[in-house]
Amino acid sequence: NAGVTQTPKFRVLKTGQSMTLLCAQDMNHEYMYWYRQDPGMGLRLIHYSVGEGTTAKGEVPDGYNVSRLKKQNFLLGLESAAPSQTSVYFCASSWILAAWNEQYFGPGTRLTVT
Amino acid sequence: SQQGEEDPQALSIQEGENATMNCSYKTSINNLQWYRQNSGRGLVHLILIRSNEREKHSGRLRVTLDTSKKSSSLLITASRAADTASYFCATVPSGTYKYIFGTGTRLKVLA
Repeated sequence: NAGVTQTPKFRVLKTGQSMTLLCAQDMNHEYMYWYRQDPGMGLRLIHYSVGEGTTAKGEVPDGYNVSRLKKQNFLLGLESAAPSQTSVYFCASSWILAAWNEQYFGPGTRLTVT
Repeated sequence: SQQGEEDPQALSIQEGENATMNCSYKTSINNLQWYRQNSGRGLVHLILIRSNEREKHSGRLRVTLDTSKKSSSLLITASRAADTASYFCATVPSGTYKYIFGTGTRLKVLA
């Protein structure tokens, strides 16, 4: 049981390049989330999904897109990377009725945009 | 804007002492959770307290919740060097599916 995994662990992009971060969970969780963590800012919610085929915007969605084609996977895309998107990205998942349950986090992806 | 704000931002104590950190939030909530993050790692869930609970214990952890003051505290008793980490509170505002995290307290336990 791997829990929540993220690919890749590290990435360096040039401004304007695109990339996709992959999150996978093997716990059959309905809800999945993408956060970014910046120094002194805590975690900020980018997008989330309450089930396969559904996505919704979080607190800081601009510049990012997501897809949830399969229940176990949640993809985060950057179409045209900017230096302001340099951050550590965390994926998380939880059971349904998220209000009552803990989140399980992946190990993070450290992204640098030059 | 951040829903939760932790206080203090940083805390340094000796091994064996107790550590207390506080969290304040802005709106009504379903529950409040505390997470730990070791350097360079993902967050790990510690404890969840529901809005109708006032206190909860788990091992060396004690959490209180005061919904009238919109605040919570996390007490770690008999701290150990391994408790060195950042601690975050997270709230789920009523009627939403979103977790809102605070800015965290960096705890350093000196051996």
